[in-house]
Amino acid sequence: QLQLQESGPGLVKPSETLSLTCTVSGASISNSNYYWGWIRQPPGKGLEWLGNVYYSGSTRYNPSLKSRVTISVDTSNDQFSLKLSSVTAADTGVYYCARSYTGNSKWFDPWGQGTLVTVSS
Amino acid sequence: DIQMTQSPSTLSASVGDRVAITCRASESINTWLAWFQQKPGKAPKLLIYKASSLESGVPSRFSGSGSGTEFTLTISSLQPDDFATYFCQQYNSSPWTFGQGTKVEIK
Repeated sequence: QLQLQESGPGLVKPSETLSLTCTVSGASISNSNYYWGWIRQPPGKGLEWLGNVYYSGSTRYNPSLKSRVTISVDTSNDQFSLKLSSVTAADTGVYYCARSYTGNSKWFDPWGQGTLVTVSS
Repeated sequence: DIQMTQSPSTLSASVGDRVAITCRASESINTWLAWFQQKPGKAPKLLIYKASSLESGVPSRFSGSGSGTEFTLTISSLQPDDFATYFCQQYNSSPWTFGQGTKVEIK
C-alpha cells in the first residue's frame, strides 16, 4: 500500500527557506505512471497546489509561486523535496505531499498526513 | 487559473439525511473533477474522480454528477462517519485548483 510521509522543520524564520521532504513507501518513486506533488493549506483557508515532479526530475510549478518554489526528486531514496524561499507569515500552513498520475488522471491520491509549518521569528 | 467555488461552506444535517454539495468551475473542465473527504488532522481521502467514478472502497452512498462547470457530490443517507469537510479539485488545466471546502456538521 502506497504511503507518503512529510518531514522537516515545523518552524521557519521569515525570509529564510522552508525545506520539506516526502518519503514514499509501498511503491517506487521511479514509476513512470506517477507524478509527485506538494499542496499546502493555510490556516482556515483552502488548498493550494505548489508543484509536481516526475521521476526524471522534470517539474511543473504553480505560476503564483514559481519564482520561490523548487521541487526535486531523489530516486535512490524514494524521496522528493520542496524548497520555498523568502518565506513570510503568509506561507504558514499545513504542507501535504501526494501522488498524482500521468495522462488525464491528475487527481491527488494518496496524500501524506501533512506537516504544519509556522513562519515566525 | 480556474476558480472552483463550493457551496454551501457549512451544512448542518442529521444522520440519515440526503445531502448535496455543489462545486462550480469558472470555466468548463469537462468531467475532470475529483471529490475528497477530510477529517481534522487526517490526510484527505479520495471519494470520486472523473466527476462520477467512485473510488474503490468508498461506500456507495457517495455519488458524483455533473460536467462542464457545475458538479454535485451527494451523500444519499448521511452516516456518523461522514461528518467531515469535503472539497473538490479540478484537473482540467494547470494550475490544479481546489474548492474552499464544505464542512458537514451534525444538526
